Amino acid sequence: ELKVEQNPLFLSMQEGKNYTIYCNYSTTSDRLYWYRQDPGKSLESLFVLLSNGAVKQEGRLMASLDTKARLSTLHITAAVHDLSATYFCAVDNDKIIFGKGTRLHILP
Amino acid sequence: EAQVTQNPRYLITVTGKKLTVTCSQNMNHEYMSWYRQDPGLGLRQIYYSMNVEVTDKGDVPEGYKVSRKEKRNFPLILESPSPNQTSLYFCASSLWASVTYNEQFFGPGTRLTVL
Repeated sequence: ELKVEQNPLFLSMQEGKNYTIYCNYSTTSDRLYWYRQDPGKSLESLFVLLSNGAVKQEGRLMASLDTKARLSTLHITAAVHDLSATYFCAVDNDKIIFGKGTRLHILP
Repeated sequence: EAQVTQNPRYLITVTGKKLTVTCSQNMNHEYMSWYRQDPGLGLRQIYYSMNVEVTDKGDVPEGYKVSRKEKRNFPLILESPSPNQTSLYFCASSLWASVTYNEQFFGPGTRLTVL
C-alpha cells in the first residue's frame, strides 16, 4: 500500500528565510506532483515531476525528485508572505495518494 | 474559460437523505476523480474514472457511488448520507490517457454537512 508522508506538517517562518518541505513515499513511482491550497480555496497545480533527478523551479519555489530515495523536496528561497499556504505532494501509482499537507505560515 | 465546476458549493442535509453532487469539466479531459478533504487527513481519493463508463474505487469508496455516462460529467452520489461523510469534497480532472502523467485540475469544492 502506497503511503505518502510530508514533513513538517506545520511551519512558521520569517520572511527572507529558506526552508525545505519533504515528501517521502513508500513504493516505487516516478510521477509526483506538488499542489498549493490557499485557505478556503481549491488546489492549484505547482509542479509535475516525472523522472529521477527532475528539478522544476517557479519563482521562489523549487521542487526535486529522487525516485531511488523515494523523496521529493519543495525548497523555498527567501520566503515572502504571499507564499503562506498549505502545500501538498501527491504520488501517482495509478491511484493518486496525497500527503497530509504542510501548512506554511510566513511571518512578515 | 477552462474549468471544473461543482454544484452545490454548500449543502446541509440530514442522515439518510439521498444527494448528488455534480461535477463538470469543459477541457475534454479523460480522467476525473473525487476527493474528500478532512482536517489532519489531507485529501483522500473516493473514486476515479479513466474514461466514459470506466470507474474505479479510490482509497475511501464506502458510502459513495459515481457514474460516468458522459465525458464531461462525473456526479458523486451519496445514497444514504451519514454524519461521518461531513467533509469538503473536491472534483478534479486531467488529460491522463493522452499524456504520461496525471496533473489534475480541481473544482472549487463542495462543503457538505450531514446532520
